[in-house]
Amino acid sequence: DIQMTQSPSTLSASVGDRVTITCRASQSISSWLAWYQQKPGKAPNLLIYRASSLESGVPSRFSGSGSGTEFTLTISSLQPDDFATYYCQQYDSDLYTFGQGTKLEIK
Amino acid sequence: EVQVLESGGGLVQRGGSLRLSCAASGFTFSSYAMNWVRQAPGKGLEWVSVISGSGGSTYYADSVKGRFTISRDNSKNTLSLQMNSLRAEDTAVYFCAKVGQWGRYFDLWGRGTLVTVSS
Repeated sequence: DIQMTQSPSTLSASVGDRVTITCRASQSISSWLAWYQQKPGKAPNLLIYRASSLESGVPSRFSGSGSGTEFTLTISSLQPDDFATYYCQQYDSDLYTFGQGTKLEIK
Repeated sequence: EVQVLESGGGLVQRGGSLRLSCAASGFTFSSYAMNWVRQAPGKGLEWVSVISGSGGSTYYADSVKGRFTISRDNSKNTLSLQMNSLRAEDTAVYFCAKVGQWGRYFDLWGRGTLVTVSS
């Protein structure tokens, strides 16, 4: 199975900061990577698919990049609504896997 | 409105069985593969299973293979997950998720249904 590793596990930042979350795959997954945001008690929400395509309705401050085994999610200017947990997910293989999550906290 | 809604969760004893359902509306159900994803209390997301739009192809995570069975009824726009031989580690919120238009990411999620396995 393909393993997905996110870093950091926890990130403390302030409103207005630029933040980057990294996701590494144990083998190449081309660009078959998605990013999700999840808030406590809620279902995940799709942000990015195919590594860099912004889902409709998602603010443009979110962006994704990367291919192969290394990917990043960047939030250009943190807003209060962005403090949540973020997950990457690979869909290259028929057995999908998620990263362990990155909790974005208010500093 | 485009939505999926899970049901069927509850408390079950270790070794028992439970059947989850997911009712879909607002999209052409048979055109999309559907998934189950779970989240144990305080933990991350774990993909469980996927079924193709026709129902002819299914895959499972190693942790549930041989115990869980995914199925769908396209005439009723319903997805199901039959869970047998339940273990304490199966305790989680189970989400139903639809794949996207352009790939096998998940663009529509339900609110989830909680399954608690007591020992």
